Amino acid sequence: AQKVTQAQTEISVVEKEDVTLDCVYETRDTTYYLFWYKQPPSGELVFLIRRNSFDEQNEISGRYSWNFQKSTSSFNFTITASQVVDSAVYFCALSEGSNSGYALNFGKGTSLLVTP
Amino acid sequence: SQTIHQWPATLVQPVGSPLSLECTVEGTSNPNLYWYRQAAGRGLQLLFYSVGIGQISSEVPQNLSASRPQDRQFILSSKKLLLSDSGFYLCAWSPLSRISGTEAFFGQGTRLTVV
Repeated sequence: AQKVTQAQTEISVVEKEDVTLDCVYETRDTTYYLFWYKQPPSGELVFLIRRNSFDEQNEISGRYSWNFQKSTSSFNFTITASQVVDSAVYFCALSEGSNSGYALNFGKGTSLLVTP
Repeated sequence: SQTIHQWPATLVQPVGSPLSLECTVEGTSNPNLYWYRQAAGRGLQLLFYSVGIGQISSEVPQNLSASRPQDRQFILSSKKLLLSDSGFYLCAWSPLSRISGTEAFFGQGTRLTVV
């Protein structure tokens, strides 16, 4: 069963628009970790953020912000004033501890296209 | 600082040929190591993970195998490639094995095309 769902397959926005990428996860563990990665056209995965299950504080880093809500099992990612360089595939991921060697379980990704 | 090296960057192989992809990590010890595959649908599928030398776990039955002959070396192999093995293969490591919650760091990836 898919543990991380990114329902938005593709999103297209015009530069300077705000965009939110949705992520819904499923776990029975009380301790878990959530992540966001960016995959630019070059293919390499770039780590953006980690959040543990005990910390529901939202985080802001420049134009990026993350909204973690345990009540809805969601960890959404918002880009404010999007730029062309933000065009990439974005992955949400879940780590549940010792299962699978602490590997990250990824969603299918959301492809974001920002046009000028 | 820690770095991860993965090679080759691209590979075109005929059906039925063998495969060997290598990944090495520098600047850390006893890392967790992972092989992921990203097929055309973009999702990242965990293939193998290793929490120590000689310890390999497979997540998905397939035509591939993995080995960890040294602490910071992870190899993905196949004896006979299938067309369905085509994809983008990513090696990753995370620090401090047996500790959860750490992010994984990825190599540059190998784009494999089986023809």
